[in-house]
Amino acid sequence: AQKVTQAQTEISVVEKEDVTLDCVYETRDTTYYLFWYKQPPSGELVFLIRRNSFDEQNEISGRYSWNFQKSTSSFNFTITASQVVDSAVYFCALSERQGGSEKLVFGKGTKLTVNP
Amino acid sequence: NADVMQNPRHLVRRRGQEARLRCSPMKGHSHVYWYRQLPEEGLKFMVYLQKENIIDESGMPKERFSAEFPKEGPSILRIQQVVRGDSAAYFCASSPYGETQYFGPGTRLLVL
Repeated sequence: AQKVTQAQTEISVVEKEDVTLDCVYETRDTTYYLFWYKQPPSGELVFLIRRNSFDEQNEISGRYSWNFQKSTSSFNFTITASQVVDSAVYFCALSERQGGSEKLVFGKGTKLTVNP
Repeated sequence: NADVMQNPRHLVRRRGQEARLRCSPMKGHSHVYWYRQLPEEGLKFMVYLQKENIIDESGMPKERFSAEFPKEGPSILRIQQVVRGDSAAYFCASSPYGETQYFGPGTRLLVL
């Protein structure tokens, strides 16, 4: 069965520091998708990125970047020059295709606190 | 994400009552997923529906929980005879088939 591990339960940094959130996954599928979602203190889930298993290119979006390495089954997320507004719980997720369903398997999340 | 609507945002029920959670998917999306977020746990898949069909309910508790997505109107997650352990945040997500799931703001259920 699919599994997503986010080993860092909580991280605390000072504003402007760079921070990397780790995500390791397990799957037997050859085709799959990986995701990151952000859950700010207000509680909603905000989509950040979706990555196809065949696309190992790193992606950058503003201060956010993602490093996908199939060889180590990792999909790490880096925030450069962190800001207080980045404080949130971040979830890594893996799609599990089964019988026409594409449900998401989530890690337990990493709570990031950015202090001023 | 605000285009996926969930209501109510907060729901308080006493043990034994029924809870009805509603989800209106994003315009053009015909696939709805429900997830539950229990305290100290991650998000867990419950059920996947398309219009008028339940496709995958492997994550749904066998008793007291049901879901529907009628031809007209929102998807509804129903919990009968609620117990304190049902207290959680319930999220729905919608997508076109095989695409990114966009989540609603969630319904926080508190069972007294």
